[in-house]
Amino acid sequence: QVQLVESGGGVVQPGRSLRLSCAVSGFIFSNYAMCWVRQAPGKGLEWVALISKDGSNEYYVDSVKGRFSISRDNSDNTLHLQMNTLGAEDTAVYYCARDWGLDLWGRGTLVTVSS
Amino acid sequence: DVVMTQSPLSLPVTLGQPASISCRSSQSLLHSDGNTYLYWFQQRPGQSPRRLIYQVSKRDSGVPDRFSGSGSGTDFTLKIIRVEAEDVGIYYCMQGTHWPRTFGQGTKVEIK
Repeated sequence: QVQLVESGGGVVQPGRSLRLSCAVSGFIFSNYAMCWVRQAPGKGLEWVALISKDGSNEYYVDSVKGRFSISRDNSDNTLHLQMNTLGAEDTAVYYCARDWGLDLWGRGTLVTVSS
Repeated sequence: DVVMTQSPLSLPVTLGQPASISCRSSQSLLHSDGNTYLYWFQQRPGQSPRRLIYQVSKRDSGVPDRFSGSGSGTDFTLKIIRVEAEDVGIYYCMQGTHWPRTFGQGTKVEIK
């Protein structure tokens, strides 16, 4: 069964860091690029970052460049998002999604940035 | 960044009637490889988004054929020929041609 399961969310103080993970099963992880998309409470979807299938290329939305880092471990079928210098504007549900076209999504993990 | 503009933002529909959502991009979505990377997603209440349509008009596996996508260049449309109760939710278009990828604001479909 194809699954994407995010973890690592929680409440974090402004300026601190958090690392999200997405565990994948049911397909050959190393064959696909992977993305992170976020959704602030009551708001629309915002594409955050993408990593190519071999990890050689990364792309980010401007608002997270220099603060967030996407990575993957193809031996462990896991995607990560390292988030540094978090601000209130980063409060959102973070989804991992498969491939350039986001054909499969996880259920998301909630990140709340608050003092 | 490419701005994706959806209309309407709210769409009350009678069960069994058609619905249409427009999505316009601020730049052409025709990629240099000849494809147009325009996607449609459905987000039912309390659920994760689900992709319905890719490359403008190709339906994903398991998507009912009452959903169809069309358009080219900067002007795209998602149509539901007969709305059913399970179609309630928010629909988003997204462009996958330019960096960064960008979504429309979302169109909320509800039953009258």
